[in-house]
Amino acid sequence: EAGVVQSPRYKIIEKKQPVAFWCNPISGHNTLYWYRQNLGQGPELLIRYENEEAVDDSQLPKDRFSAERLKGVDSTLKIQPAELGDSAVYLCASSLDAGRFNEQFFGPGTRLTVL
Amino acid sequence: AQKVTQAQTEISVVEKEDVTLDCVYETRDTTYYLFWYKQPPSGELVFLIRRNSFDEQNEISGRYSWNFQKSTSSFNFTITASQVVDSAVYFCALSEADGGSNYKLTFGKGTLLTVNP
Repeated sequence: EAGVVQSPRYKIIEKKQPVAFWCNPISGHNTLYWYRQNLGQGPELLIRYENEEAVDDSQLPKDRFSAERLKGVDSTLKIQPAELGDSAVYLCASSLDAGRFNEQFFGPGTRLTVL
Repeated sequence: AQKVTQAQTEISVVEKEDVTLDCVYETRDTTYYLFWYKQPPSGELVFLIRRNSFDEQNEISGRYSWNFQKSTSSFNFTITASQVVDSAVYFCALSEADGGSNYKLTFGKGTLLTVNP
């Protein structure tokens, strides 16, 4: 069974440029998460989707970050414009549903470097 | 205050040594779940174990074992006879409600384990 797929794996951009990350969750998983992982830290939740609905986006910096999950499958996370402090690894994860006991399966992440 | 504390930032051991990774958590929930994930250099977090707050039985899986003690709010992870392939960052995480209908998985800062040959 294919795992969570993310692309690109690496992205280097100049500050103020836009950038987008793509995630394809495990087939059949209704819940999708975007996390940001700063160097030397654990992942921090940015947004959680249940099917197409964003049910928890309280930690998403909405002035520059946006996300969508059309048709309840693939998802895209966008930053516009990017700032130096956005350099991090962006992880996508999915789980069968939103139960607190459900393990989340993570993709390999996109490492973003903003120059 | 951190909800999940992994006090050991880095641990270095020689192959075949036993090593214990500490995790201390803080929650007001009576029902919660604890997890351990492994993050190898490739970057992908790999699920290792899930434990609910009502099950304090220790668990063993091959060379891995976990010790959950509610009295001390700890969920420690021991690798017996460590191997070079165990080198990774290990994260402890807590799943609890955030006050509403949402719940959140909160990770510790991780412990970098290096196993030297």
